[in-house]
Amino acid sequence: GESVGLHLPTLSVQEGDNSIINCAYSNSASDYFIWYKQESGKGPQFIIDIRSNMDKRQGQRVTVLLNKTVKHLSLQIAATQPGDSAVYFCAENSGYSTLTFGKGTMLLVSP
Amino acid sequence: EPEVTQTPSHQVTQMGQEVILRCVPISNHLYFYWYRQILGQKVEFLVSFYNNEISEKSEIFDDQFSVERPDGSNFTLKIRSTKLEDSAMYFCASSEQQTSYGYTFGSGTRLTVV
Repeated sequence: GESVGLHLPTLSVQEGDNSIINCAYSNSASDYFIWYKQESGKGPQFIIDIRSNMDKRQGQRVTVLLNKTVKHLSLQIAATQPGDSAVYFCAENSGYSTLTFGKGTMLLVSP
Repeated sequence: EPEVTQTPSHQVTQMGQEVILRCVPISNHLYFYWYRQILGQKVEFLVSFYNNEISEKSEIFDDQFSVERPDGSNFTLKIRSTKLEDSAMYFCASSEQQTSYGYTFGSGTRLTVV
C-alpha cells in the first residue's frame, strides 16, 4: 500500500511568484476533481474543481489543469500571496459522493 | 455564507471511553459525511449518510463507529471505545446533492485519546 509519513512535500516561493502544485490521482474512472486549501487548525476549503471532460479550468488567480492520460492534476496560483500559505490537497470523486484525497503539498510564501 | 459547525473543537478522552462528535450541517443539505485526518496524513473518508441511513462507509468505519441524525439539525459520530489510534481531526461535511460537488467541510474536532 501507499506509505504516508509526517513530512509533506513543501513548495517555497516568494510573494508575487506563480506557484504550481502537482498531484497524481489513482483512479482512471474518477470523473470529478477538486483542489482544497487547508490552513492550520481548519477544515478543507474548496478552491476550484474540474470535470473529466475538461482539461483546463480557470478561477480567480487559480487554474487547474487535468491530464487524464497520465492521471495528473495541477493547481497554478498566480501572483502568490502570503495568505496563500497552507496545505493544498487534490481530491478525486471515487464513488457516489466519496472523495479520495491526495497526500497534500505545503505551500510557503515568503514576503 | 452558510457553514458546517462542529463541536467541540477539541476533545480529550481516555482510552476505552465513548465519545460523541457533533456537527450541524448546512440547513438545506441532505447528504452528510465524516472524514478524519491523522496528524500529518491525508484526509480519509469514513462514512456518508442520507435519508437516515448510511450510504457508504470505508474500511476504517468499523463496529466501534456509528452515526446518527438525532434531530432535524444535528449529525453525530460516536466512537464506542476509543483507542489511541483514533486520535485525529474529524471533519464533518455536507452537500445539497449526492455528488462531491458542493461539499462544505466544518472546521473539525481534534480528538486526543490518552
